[in-house]
Amino acid sequence: EDKVVQSPLSLVVHEGDTVTLNCSYEVTNFRSLLWYKQEKKAPTFLFMLTSSGIEKKSGRLSSILDKKELFSILNITATQTGDSAIYLCASTGTASKLTFGTGTRLQVTL
Amino acid sequence: NAGVTQTPKFQVLKTGQSMTLQCAQDMNHNSMYWYRQDPGMGLRLIYYSASEGTTDKGEVPNGYNVSRLNKREFSLRLESAAPSQTSVYFCASTKGTPGAGEYYGYTFGSGTRLTVV
Repeated sequence: EDKVVQSPLSLVVHEGDTVTLNCSYEVTNFRSLLWYKQEKKAPTFLFMLTSSGIEKKSGRLSSILDKKELFSILNITATQTGDSAIYLCASTGTASKLTFGTGTRLQVTL
Repeated sequence: NAGVTQTPKFQVLKTGQSMTLQCAQDMNHNSMYWYRQDPGMGLRLIYYSASEGTTDKGEVPNGYNVSRLNKREFSLRLESAAPSQTSVYFCASTKGTPGAGEYYGYTFGSGTRLTVV
């Protein structure tokens, strides 16, 4: 059975801090790893990673995949209160259905 | 606006009652999915439909049934609601087809918050 594990489960930081969120996976015939941000409603897509060592970047957010060690990290620099959300990691194998981790709840305080 | 529409947004049921959650997408996507989200559990797949006329069980199918009415619509039915089914339910769709190994991105609906008392 496919499995995705995220850590930490929750995190409280001050505005301006840098945070690193972790995601490890065990997926049959791994295809891709995805990061989503979930605020009050539906998850919104952040990144899709398919190749090891290639950093994806969007503003203050970046992510990288290590297919040898089966993990990914999501970095957020200079955090803002608007970054407060649940960050979900998910993975796909040969089927396009996503297997999600439990999420990391990030709270950014002033 | 194009996307995934779920109804209702909120629902309270008594134990033993039945109801159907509706989901429709207007993006001509092949695959549709129902997930439930519980605190500390992430999103768990209930059922999915790779194409019109086909449905398959996900990780937590017990207590649910689904119907892929046509390419646009995928409904989730609770025949006899139980308090353990209190959750937030998300419908999602994607252009890709399970087994093809491709990922085109999921579009999620805004969710249905269901409480069973």
